[in-house]
Amino acid sequence: EAGVTQSPTHLIKTRGQQATLRCSPISGHTSVYWYQQALGLGLQFLLWYDEGEERNRGNFPPRFSGRQFPNYSSELNVNALELEDSALYLCASSKLQGNTGELFFGEGSRLTVL
Amino acid sequence: QKEVEQNSGPLSVPEGAIASLNCTYSDRGSQSFFWYRQYSGKSPELIMFIYSNGDKEDGRFTAQLNKASQYVSLLIRDSQPSDSATYLCAVTSSSGDKLTFGTGTRLAVRP
Repeated sequence: EAGVTQSPTHLIKTRGQQATLRCSPISGHTSVYWYQQALGLGLQFLLWYDEGEERNRGNFPPRFSGRQFPNYSSELNVNALELEDSALYLCASSKLQGNTGELFFGEGSRLTVL
Repeated sequence: QKEVEQNSGPLSVPEGAIASLNCTYSDRGSQSFFWYRQYSGKSPELIMFIYSNGDKEDGRFTAQLNKASQYVSLLIRDSQPSDSATYLCAVTSSSGDKLTFGTGTRLAVRP
């Protein structure tokens, strides 16, 4: 069974640009979660999608947005990039309905903002 | 007060010893508690979850939960160098719509 896949693995952008990150959940998983892991800050919750709907978002500005497609894949968009957006962005999926915490993570997309 | 707090470590133990990792949380209504392991340069993986007060054992791992004290712990018996990693405590919100992670405790097992 294929795990959670994320693309791209690495992405380099400059301040003010936009970044788009993509995630495919494990087959049969309908929930997708996005987390930001910046150095020294741990995993910060960004967004939770389930059945195509945004269920919850963390304390991030509106320039962080995303969506979930009918095939349950998801993308995260970050507009007007700032230097502090440099981080590892992790996507996770869950086989259980609701935010149960039993998450399977992808290997992440590392975003560097210059 | 942070929602989920852990000592950053590093916690250094000799091979074969018991490693004890601790976590406190602030949301008294939280119902579900998780331990994830993250090797350097890798993504987190779930190793234990616990929902009820008391102990839950799985192989060399034991999770302990005390809701009255808002305290979760993870014991690793017979620690191995391969257990060297960062251990992340995670707690679901009382509303069930968010999973919050602590910043993690780095464990180093000395051969």
